[in-house]
Amino acid sequence: SQQGEEDPQALSIQEGENATMNCSYKTSINNLQWYRQNSGRGLVHLILIRSNEREKHSGRLRVTLDTSKKSSSLLITASRAADTASYFCAPGTYKYIFGTGTRLKVLA
Amino acid sequence: EAQVTQNPRYLITVTGKKLTVTCSQNMNHEYMSWYRQDPGLGLRQIYYSMNVEVTDKGDVPEGYKVSRKEKRNFPLILESPSPNQTSLYFCASSLSGLGGPTDTQYFGPGTRLTVL
Repeated sequence: SQQGEEDPQALSIQEGENATMNCSYKTSINNLQWYRQNSGRGLVHLILIRSNEREKHSGRLRVTLDTSKKSSSLLITASRAADTASYFCAPGTYKYIFGTGTRLKVLA
Repeated sequence: EAQVTQNPRYLITVTGKKLTVTCSQNMNHEYMSWYRQDPGLGLRQIYYSMNVEVTDKGDVPEGYKVSRKEKRNFPLILESPSPNQTSLYFCASSLSGLGGPTDTQYFGPGTRLTVL
């Protein structure tokens, strides 16, 4: 099974700034997914990056993957108050182990 | 509307009283999974099911049972709940669970369980 470890644990920024959060994992993977969770609610899928991809974009999201370092980063550009949530990475395939997430707070 | 539903959403019970949390998806997904979420511990997988014939333990299966008699339903059973099973539970499903380009997990709204 794969576990993602997100870093930092908490991040507070001003609206309009960029937010970067990181994920590290320990073994080889086929893909890595990022999810968002608003307080107490179910996770929502944001983006999936395959192991043969280095970078992927979706709207204001940019995800990178470095398989040699076993790490990924999620960049949210021009952040909004609505981006306030916890963000989780999920490396691997069917046996998911999520980390404790990065709690992002965007101040208006 | 494509969705994963869980019932009940909130439940307060007492130690030892058997309970079932239902999970149902209407997307014809093969893969379904149960997680629990506790403060400081993230989401931990309890059980997952690749299809109606294959079910396997996640990382924290002790004290739980599951059943996958039909594709759309994946109930979580607590035969004898204990206070350490007080948690927020999520059910999720995906097309195959193999992480393909469209194989994302869809999560239910959560069930908040308190065992006294």
